[in-house]
Amino acid sequence: SAVISQKPSRDICQRGTSLTIQCQVDSQVTMMFWYRQQPGQSLTLIATANQGSEATYESGFVIDKFPISRPNLTFSTLTVSNMSPEDSSIYLCSVDGGQVDGYTFGSGTRLTVV
Amino acid sequence: EDQVTQSPEALRLQEGESSSLNCSYTVSGLRGLFWYRQDPGKGPEFLFTLYSAGEEKEKERLKATLTKKESFLHITAPKPEDSATYLCAVQTSTSGTYKYIFGTGTRLKVLA
Repeated sequence: SAVISQKPSRDICQRGTSLTIQCQVDSQVTMMFWYRQQPGQSLTLIATANQGSEATYESGFVIDKFPISRPNLTFSTLTVSNMSPEDSSIYLCSVDGGQVDGYTFGSGTRLTVV
Repeated sequence: EDQVTQSPEALRLQEGESSSLNCSYTVSGLRGLFWYRQDPGKGPEFLFTLYSAGEEKEKERLKATLTKKESFLHITAPKPEDSATYLCAVQTSTSGTYKYIFGTGTRLKVLA
């Protein structure tokens, strides 16, 4: 199964600033997925990132707040913009390993906004 | 509305005390049900995929089963290292679009 390197692992940020999270995959993948995991809640899909096209955002998430880049088949970034304390969460990237391996996740970025 | 519910929210077991975790779902177009383990500070780690009612899969002390309405993750003679949050997710297919819905997880603590 794919191996994903995600960074930073954690950060504490001031409100109003932005943070960019990076994910590097050790193999080429068509789609990469970005999730948010708020305390005590399930994983929620933010958007799906395809190489060469704009990301597809889920209901409740907008590009201005969560811009995504996908410059090639092994790399993606998610930016959390103009942060507020409500953005404090764990952010995860993921790729689909197929029916045998399921989804593979990065180790997550724990974001705290103060 | 598609929904996935896990119970209990938290479970404390003594080492060797077997138990089961539940994942019930109400979805249209079920494509597969997935179980994951998540350790603190880490992303979810894939355990099993189940596709049809009656299917069972095993891995060490874990056994996953599936019915038309729910899935169970049975833990036999658990050890402290089995302590983690266990997540289930269903993959649905609607008009050719796949969607992945996660439950909120069961936090398992196994005491030595």
